[in-house]
Amino acid sequence: GENVEQHPSTLSVQEGDSAVIKCTYSDSASNYFPWYKQELGKRPQLIIDIRSNVGEKKDQRIAVTLNKTAKHFSLHITETQPEDSAVYFCAARYNFNKFYFGSGTKLNVKP
Amino acid sequence: EAGVTQFPSHSVIEKGQTVTLRCDPISGHDNLYWYRRVMGKEIKFLLHFVKESKQDESGMPNNRFLAERTGGTYSTLKVQPAELEDSGVYFCASSPSGSLTDTQYFGPGTRLTVL
Repeated sequence: GENVEQHPSTLSVQEGDSAVIKCTYSDSASNYFPWYKQELGKRPQLIIDIRSNVGEKKDQRIAVTLNKTAKHFSLHITETQPEDSAVYFCAARYNFNKFYFGSGTKLNVKP
Repeated sequence: EAGVTQFPSHSVIEKGQTVTLRCDPISGHDNLYWYRRVMGKEIKFLLHFVKESKQDESGMPNNRFLAERTGGTYSTLKVQPAELEDSGVYFCASSPSGSLTDTQYFGPGTRLTVL
């Protein structure tokens, strides 16, 4: 099976700074890596994803990088804003449609 | 388009009682997943339906948990009898079939507290 580890568990940054969240996975067969954002009291929502044949993907202030050799992928948020404050989850898809999630990172952006 | 809905949003029961959680996926989504998050830990896979069939139920903790999806529409997850360690937030997610299966749409979750 797959095992996903996520770090850090909490992250506090000043508004305007960058934030980086890192995840590692164990099984090289995993081929799809989404990131979800869960705001307080709301449902997890997909914010960005990357497939195993791509090394980097960007969407405005958010980017994800994937290193297949090292089996790790990271979420990068630039120019953070207070509305970026939330819990972020990484995930890896293994064996067709089975997803393994990290334990979450609580990001706090201080105004 | 309505999103994934779950009912109830909260449930507080005593150990030994029975609870049934319901999930209504996005209309037309063949794939339906159940997950559980215990406080501070990962969102853990429980099982996956494709239409009314169980594709993978390897994450179900034990035989006190029973999931059904009769008719391939909504799904229920029954816990009988509930134990203290069953407490957590139960999420349902759905996705379409074919080449669009990647994106999962989550429901708001059901917070289950077993006393």
